Amino acid sequence: AQSVTQPDIHITVSEGASLELRCNYSYGATPYLFWYVQSPGQGLQLLLKYFSGDTLVQGIKGFEAEFKRSQSSFNLRKPSVHWSDAAEYFCAVDDRGSTLGRLYFGRGTQLTVWP
Amino acid sequence: DGGITQSPKYLFRKEGQNVTLSCEQNLNHDAMYWYRQDPGQGLRLIYYSQIVNDFQKGDIAEGYSVSREKKESFPLTVTSAQKNPTAFYLCASRLAGSSYEQYFGPGTRLTVT
Repeated sequence: AQSVTQPDIHITVSEGASLELRCNYSYGATPYLFWYVQSPGQGLQLLLKYFSGDTLVQGIKGFEAEFKRSQSSFNLRKPSVHWSDAAEYFCAVDDRGSTLGRLYFGRGTQLTVWP
Repeated sequence: DGGITQSPKYLFRKEGQNVTLSCEQNLNHDAMYWYRQDPGQGLRLIYYSQIVNDFQKGDIAEGYSVSREKKESFPLTVTSAQKNPTAFYLCASRLAGSSYEQYFGPGTRLTVT
């Protein structure tokens, strides 16, 4: 079965600092990959997605992610964090092997931003 | 505006009662999903449906039931058989086929005492 690992449960950064959130997946082929963000008590919002092609993808709110096949990773980055980026971030993998379109989620990384 | 509506935002029930969570979408999406979220556990799939009158169990379906009588609606019933029902429940939808992301509703927080 597919699995998604987000090794960092909680990350704290200062406002203006750079950010990298890690995501590793276990899947036989190149999956579809997603990053979602969730503010407290809210639903999930899509930040960006990777299906094929250029391995560096740009998303909303100044985020980007790089797919590295050799490392089975899809890390999320932002050059300069804003206080409003404080939220929980989820990496997800699409079950590309079927038409069911279910997602497998990591356990999430909680981001705290210091002023 | 197109989107996914979940109601109510907060729901309180006594132990032993069944409760139904509403999920409606006007995105004309084919597939719909229910997830349960607990702190530190990510999202776990309860049920999903690709078409009307058809649905499949996810990873944690025990104690839950669903129906899909209309394309735009996918209600989830939390039965008294669910041993630990207090959680945040998220509904999602997407277009059929590949290469489409899931869109999420705002969630319902269920508290059972």
